Amino acid sequence: SQQGEEDPQALSIQEGENATMNCSYKTSINNLQWYRQNSGRGLVHLILIRSNEREKHSGRLRVTLDTSKKSSSLLITASRAADTASYFCATDFKVAQKLVFGQGTRLTINP
Amino acid sequence: DGGITQSPKYLFRKEGQNVTLSCEQNLNHDAMYWYRQDPGQGLRLIYYSQIVNDFQKGDIAEGYSVSREKKESFPLTVTSAQKNPTAFYLCASSIVAGDTEAFFGQGTRLTVV
Repeated sequence: SQQGEEDPQALSIQEGENATMNCSYKTSINNLQWYRQNSGRGLVHLILIRSNEREKHSGRLRVTLDTSKKSSSLLITASRAADTASYFCATDFKVAQKLVFGQGTRLTINP
Repeated sequence: DGGITQSPKYLFRKEGQNVTLSCEQNLNHDAMYWYRQDPGQGLRLIYYSQIVNDFQKGDIAEGYSVSREKKESFPLTVTSAQKNPTAFYLCASSIVAGDTEAFFGQGTRLTVV
């Protein structure tokens, strides 16, 4: 069963706008990670946020984590055409050390 | 260069045949994973291994088998029992299972002909 569920499934915005993607999960986690996948390629790690952290930044990326709501968001600021990709959240269970991915959000940046 | 390598990139299989996908890493990672991705879908966990000589079933292990005899290698066999094997298969590794970032290979696209 999928642990994380992303919302929206697809997002299309204009270059320069901000893009926000959300992830919800079901059980207690140790950390939550965000990955990016260009079409037909492997995934690339973007950011990891631990369960005791609330917010983390990396360049144009900002990730928040609300463990009380079991949800996380990924914000990409000042989007660029090169940001067009699918974005996935991944969580690890506290009871079993494995990495489980959600369905992903397909982000399209229009020039 | 350190990294994780999957081979082949494209693989064609006849119905009823077993086929093995290769995954090798030289990152000295303990944990390795296999995922299946169908078009427009997320990743589903097939098998994972936290340490050499040990592995566990993921969410969709039926019709697949793995081995972890060496730390750097985690081959996946798609058996004839897997009724719908056409998919994109991704291998990943991490220092520790689940607790650190995972590094992915470029994937193997398997097609049944």
